[in-house]
Amino acid sequence: AQSVTQLDSQVPVFEEAPVELRCNYSSSVSVYLFWYVQYPNQGLQLLLKYLSGSTLVESINGFEAEFNKSQTSFHLRKPSVHISDTAEYFCAVTGSDFNKFYFGSGTKLNVKP
Amino acid sequence: DTAVSQTPKYLVTQMGNDKSIKCEQNLGHDTMYWYKQDSKKFLKIMFSYNNKELIINETVPNRFSPKSPDKAHLNLHINSLELGDSAVYFCASSPEQVLNTEAFFGQGTRLTVV
Repeated sequence: AQSVTQLDSQVPVFEEAPVELRCNYSSSVSVYLFWYVQYPNQGLQLLLKYLSGSTLVESINGFEAEFNKSQTSFHLRKPSVHISDTAEYFCAVTGSDFNKFYFGSGTKLNVKP
Repeated sequence: DTAVSQTPKYLVTQMGNDKSIKCEQNLGHDTMYWYKQDSKKFLKIMFSYNNKELIINETVPNRFSPKSPDKAHLNLHINSLELGDSAVYFCASSPEQVLNTEAFFGQGTRLTVV
């Protein structure tokens, strides 16, 4: 089974600063990779995903993530964060059958004014 | 309209009781899931149904019994609740079994067993 590691449980950052949320996974087979975001009292929402092709994927609200096969990583970055980005971020990979998610333990991003 | 809705949002119950959590999706998706989020925030797959057929049963105790009366609903019944069942349970749906499109999650049901 795949496993996903999000080393940082909490990341405090000031508004307009850059941020990187780290995600590493263990898998020797092709997988799909995702970042989901959870705002307080809401379900998880898809932020971005990597299926194939270009290793850099972007979301509509300025986040990007880069698939690095050699390092088995899929780190999430944003060059300038907003207060509204405060949320919990979950990295996920699919199983080898591509029919279920394996999630990391989440990173709580706290953007301060 | 909420895409994936779960009820109840909070559930507090005593050990040994039987309880159900309901999930409905109005997206027309074929596949639905139950995930359990433990105290360390890890979400783990429990079950997956595709068009009312059980696809994934991830070594969950048989006290947990999912039921899918139609492809828009996936309910979770738990018998003889134990303290370790306390968690947040998330329902989700996706257009098909292969997760190459967005999966939609409900708000979660926080179950507390006392």
